[in-house]
Amino acid sequence: GAGVSQSPSNKVTEKGKDVELRCDPISGHTALYWYRQRLGQGLEFLIYFQGNSAPDKSGLPSDRFSAERTGESVSTLTIQRTQQEDSAVYLCASSLEGPALRNEQFFGPGTRLTVL
Amino acid sequence: AQKVTQAQTEISVVEKEDVTLDCVYETRDTTYYLFWYKQPPSGELVFLIRRNSFDEQNEISGRYSWNFQKSTSSFNFTITASQVVDSAVYFCALSEAPYQLIWGAGTKLIIKP
Repeated sequence: GAGVSQSPSNKVTEKGKDVELRCDPISGHTALYWYRQRLGQGLEFLIYFQGNSAPDKSGLPSDRFSAERTGESVSTLTIQRTQQEDSAVYLCASSLEGPALRNEQFFGPGTRLTVL
Repeated sequence: AQKVTQAQTEISVVEKEDVTLDCVYETRDTTYYLFWYKQPPSGELVFLIRRNSFDEQNEISGRYSWNFQKSTSSFNFTITASQVVDSAVYFCALSEAPYQLIWGAGTKLIIKP
């Protein structure tokens, strides 16, 4: 079956512009996660969705970041007024029946965002 | 405070050598899960193993083995007879209530032919 997909795979934008990143989770996965991975670093949690609601937005680094999920499926992460420090790979993951400690997360290939 | 520590930033070995990647975690929960993920150069994270806090049995899967020791809060990963295809960044992660994964910084493993 299809895995987690993300688009675009690469995005280059100018400082100050808004960007939208898309994630299509595995069908039937109710939990969806967004992470940020800066070059050579580990994963930084951004936000978690259970269904269409986001019980935990604590990882969003600033109010320029927002995310939504519709139809318990597609999610979009929006970054407004991008800054150079937003440059990173943004990873999306989904899992079955969240929240649950034990569920493995399935990751998409990521979107590499470069802010010039 | 850092909850998952992977002290080895980078390890380089020659093919066929055994290599152990260390992971030390910190939690006050009695119920938790530990994970290892692999991130090859292609970038996509791949799940390797999950271990719950009540199961301290070591696990072996082919050339991979994991040693979970609650007494030292460690969950180490060993690759025996390493191969070039094992080259990747390996992440250890801790899952505490209710759902969030806390990730280590990763260990970059380089296997030289």
